[in-house]
Amino acid sequence: DTEVTQTPKHLVMGMTNKKSLKCEQHMGHRAMYWYKQKAKKPPELMFVYSYEKLSINESVPSRFSPECPNSSLLNLHLHALQPEDSALYLCASSQDRETSGTLAKNIQYFGAGTRLSVL
Amino acid sequence: AQSVTQPDIHITVSEGASLELRCNYSYGATPYLFWYVQSPGQGLQLLLKYFSGDTLVQGIKGFEAEFKRSQSSFNLRKPSVHWSDAAEYFCAVGAFGNEKLTFGTGTRLTIIP
Repeated sequence: DTEVTQTPKHLVMGMTNKKSLKCEQHMGHRAMYWYKQKAKKPPELMFVYSYEKLSINESVPSRFSPECPNSSLLNLHLHALQPEDSALYLCASSQDRETSGTLAKNIQYFGAGTRLSVL
Repeated sequence: AQSVTQPDIHITVSEGASLELRCNYSYGATPYLFWYVQSPGQGLQLLLKYFSGDTLVQGIKGFEAEFKRSQSSFNLRKPSVHWSDAAEYFCAVGAFGNEKLTFGTGTRLTIIP
């Protein structure tokens, strides 16, 4: 099973709203990712959590706030977004960093995404 | 820094014809290479990966890819495409101990009857 589940599938919000995106995996993966994807573009990395700690923040505006409550769950809290933040938000997970002697594989498995529209 | 180039923005192929999607990478050491497919409005599905060993790798849905170090390429192939293969295809490169994947700009595949 390589399933990453994202909810909701679609979200429409106003610029003053607060909402959250949720991502869940039960593969025992210890790294989880948020990506933003605009139409006809590749995914852009936003955040990486490794062992429930934020390891990478790609200079994302503070109106996006990630949270990793446990090893299976990743949230993205949204507040005061702009219309240009409308995009497909993708979550991914992978095993932990490679350890010596193994090819333990930064294979990222993606969820189906949340289509966000900011009005 | 690693980078990926997919030279073809859009490719149109007849159903049943063969397919090759190009991918060139730039990385100083041995890269980890991936092909993902994305149907409209969907997430990315892993087609295949290369870490080491045999340079011809088999993936799902009848796809294969060949790693050519001398050409810095990792082209995706399929001998006979099906209408359901119409999608966006992304090549990506990763590296040892690095969680970041660098994606190419994607190639949109259209299948005509």
